[in-house]
Amino acid sequence: ETGVTQSPTHLIKTRGQQVTLRCSSQSGHNTVSWYQQALGQGPQFIFQYYREEENGRGNFPPRFSGLQFPNYSSELNVNALELDDSALYLCASSRLGLAGEETQYFGPGTRLLVL
Amino acid sequence: GNSVTQMEGPVTLSEEAFLTINCTYTATGYPSLFWYVQYPGEGLQLLLKATKADDKGSNKGFEATYRKETTSFHLEKGSVQVSDSAVYFCALKNTGNTGKLIFGQGTTLQVKP
Repeated sequence: ETGVTQSPTHLIKTRGQQVTLRCSSQSGHNTVSWYQQALGQGPQFIFQYYREEENGRGNFPPRFSGLQFPNYSSELNVNALELDDSALYLCASSRLGLAGEETQYFGPGTRLLVL
Repeated sequence: GNSVTQMEGPVTLSEEAFLTINCTYTATGYPSLFWYVQYPGEGLQLLLKATKADDKGSNKGFEATYRKETTSFHLEKGSVQVSDSAVYFCALKNTGNTGKLIFGQGTTLQVKP
């Protein structure tokens, strides 16, 4: 069974640029969630995608956007990068159950540095 | 609103010592509770979970019991190893809420030989 994978592992950008991060979900999972983890803090929920639709969003501005593809992989796009966007970006996949129960399994993350 | 509070770290222990990391939560409804572990430079690994009151999650010698009366989910291990050194995160998810895991701030554990 293949786990959650993310690419790239590291990325350096400058302020104002745009970035795309990618995530492949675990086999059998239909849902992908994205989190931002600043240094020394717990992860913060950005949004979740289920069946190619956004299924909940945290307190992040619209310049954070995403996509989910028919094979359940996903992209996170961030426009107009700011210095505070420097963080570890984590993708988690899960299988959403009928009662909303799910367990999220995380990838290794993409570390983004904005200069 | 929903929140998770963990004991501040770092927690420094000698090998084979007993470990407790406290976690309390505030939530509406009946959340599921999780412990994740993060080793240096890596993503999060699910350590254990509990989905209803009085459930005990366990894995790799770690245990945590879902206590609704005290809104707690403390992590315990009887005998820690150097390899357990990592950051531990407590998290909750409300059933029906769309995907959002709410994490505590993390507790760093350092185990010395």
